[in-house]
Amino acid sequence: GIQVEQSPPDLILQEGANSTLRCNFSDSVNNLQWFHQNPWGQLINLFYIPSGTKQNGRLSATTVATERYSLLYISSSQTTDSGVYFCAPQAGGFKTIFGAGTRLFVKA
Amino acid sequence: DGGITQSPKYLFRKEGQNVTLSCEQNLNHDAMYWYRQDPGQGLRLIYYSQIVNDFQKGDIAEGYSVSREKKESFPLTVTSAQKNPTAFYLCASSTGLNQPQHFGDGTRLSIL
Repeated sequence: GIQVEQSPPDLILQEGANSTLRCNFSDSVNNLQWFHQNPWGQLINLFYIPSGTKQNGRLSATTVATERYSLLYISSSQTTDSGVYFCAPQAGGFKTIFGAGTRLFVKA
Repeated sequence: DGGITQSPKYLFRKEGQNVTLSCEQNLNHDAMYWYRQDPGQGLRLIYYSQIVNDFQKGDIAEGYSVSREKKESFPLTVTSAQKNPTAFYLCASSTGLNQPQHFGDGTRLSIL
């Protein structure tokens, strides 16, 4: 099955800094989602982005399906951005594969 | 408000006991899913259902069972055959194939 690798595994930022999270996947995908899991465990949809670029406020995402990677950009980070960011591609059918996540801590 | 409701938030199981986790959605979604998350790990698919009265095993279905008698409900039973049930369980739904999944707030299951 499809393999998903997220980097970096851990990231510490000073409030106001920018960052880029990367997701590599081993096969062609039909869709890809980015999620933020907050410290209480809630999974929040950030982007549904099988290809191209999307922006939502301070966050943006780009997926280059032909090269099998996706990037999540966080600008002007805030302490509320802390948590775990998951990339979840879907190659076919109903099975979605989650990466191990990037754990982000934003210091005040 | 439309959304996915999981209950209870916390659940404790005794050895040899079956327990059932509830998942209800009012989004009119056809597809529903159950995932397991262990500490520091990503999510793994237990079962999914494309439509009422149909469900399929995911990657880690052993020791679990589900039913889908109503569109809005997809309960998960953790049976005594599941030897390591302590985990965070998340339910999700989507309108259909290759569509965005939306998640409930999860149930934390622990062994007494």
